[in-house]
Amino acid sequence: SAVISQKPSRDICQRGTSLTIQCQVDSQVTMMFWYRQQPGQSLTLIATANQGSEATYESGFVIDKFPISRPNLTFSTLTVSNMSPEDSSIYLCSAQIGGTNYGYTFGSGTRLTVV
Amino acid sequence: EDQVTQSPEALRLQEGESSSLNCSYTVSGLRGLFWYRQDPGKGPEFLFTLYSAGEEKEKERLKATLTKKESFLHITAPKPEDSATYLCAVLSGSARQLTFGSGTQLTVLP
Repeated sequence: SAVISQKPSRDICQRGTSLTIQCQVDSQVTMMFWYRQQPGQSLTLIATANQGSEATYESGFVIDKFPISRPNLTFSTLTVSNMSPEDSSIYLCSAQIGGTNYGYTFGSGTRLTVV
Repeated sequence: EDQVTQSPEALRLQEGESSSLNCSYTVSGLRGLFWYRQDPGKGPEFLFTLYSAGEEKEKERLKATLTKKESFLHITAPKPEDSATYLCAVLSGSARQLTFGSGTQLTVLP
């Protein structure tokens, strides 16, 4: 089955700094998705990233705070900018690989703690 | 707006004690209902996709069923290694992304 490699797996960051999370898919995909999962809660979609165009952000998320790059069909990055403790969460990337029979595959997640 | 509600929030079972998790949904044109398993500190792991009412899928001790309003994840004779959070998600209409429920945290005691 397809694999999404996500890194870093965890990080502890200072308030006011930025962190870039990388996701590499082992096959070409049209869209990649970035989610946030706050402690004890379910997944909330941040944005959808298409190759060659700007990402589409969900309500409550803005490009200045969560800039996304999608340079090719196998790679994407999410940056969490000017971090505050409220940004402490698990961040996950996802892609639909092989059609809906195979679901949407997720990376292993990045556990971010902002101090 | 699509809505997905999972119950119960948490479930504790003895090893071998079968039970069911519920996922109720309200969507405009269901294209697929997905079940995932998530272990602590990891990303969700895909289990099943269901497409239409009456459909059933099985994998080891798990069986997923679908009606027009809800889905059940039946766990038969669970083992401690089945302990995880089980997430339900829907894909509807022309949407490209999933809408997730809040999950059921399952603990199976030896």
